[in-house]
Amino acid sequence: EAQVTQNPRYLITVTGKKLTVTCSQNMNHEYMSWYRQDPGLGLRQIYYSMNVEVTDKGDVPEGYKVSRKEKRNFPLILESPSPNQTSLYFCASALSAGNNEQFFGPGTRLTVL
Amino acid sequence: AQRVTQPEKLLSVFKGAPVELKCNYSYSGSPELFWYVQYSRQRLQLLLRHISRESIKGFTADLNKGETSFHLKKPFAQEEDSAMYYCALSPTGGYQKVTFGTGTKLQVIP
Repeated sequence: EAQVTQNPRYLITVTGKKLTVTCSQNMNHEYMSWYRQDPGLGLRQIYYSMNVEVTDKGDVPEGYKVSRKEKRNFPLILESPSPNQTSLYFCASALSAGNNEQFFGPGTRLTVL
Repeated sequence: AQRVTQPEKLLSVFKGAPVELKCNYSYSGSPELFWYVQYSRQRLQLLLRHISRESIKGFTADLNKGETSFHLKKPFAQEEDSAMYYCALSPTGGYQKVTFGTGTKLQVIP
């Protein structure tokens, strides 16, 4: 089944403990992106990647890192999580950065204590 | 800077009534506009995009460059339309940086 998967789906952690949220797609999509969803703020783009080894900042990149070493994977790294990074995170992919439909993952609910 | 505004957090309509979800944008260039929908316990999914000019599930949206709007409309609301709706903008020619609105929750009352 063509899809975007994220792991873990739920995570509770403590301030300062490095964590990685994985994102994988099996559709051979070039474009991948991370968003965070917060009440009243909608979805805000954190980072996006146009292709392997090509990444760029979205609107709220502070406190996050990404890498795109393989086409199918786009992990989100929080080197030193803080409580203001408590949020619902979505990964998405699209065939290319050319007005194609974005396919979203199921979301990862992160709580930083 | 690109910006998308959805002024209504919640829109309640009766079944069979017309629906209009408002979306206004700010962008200096030529934008691509999208509507995404998130049904309860489901993933966010594309509803429609202005370049395709399709009608999906009875919904339509017209890009009005003069008013910088991309309102989503449906003549007769159905209960299954109840969901969260997001308007989104990206620069012409590619997704690149994508900006979403804050979303409008549509509640269709039986």
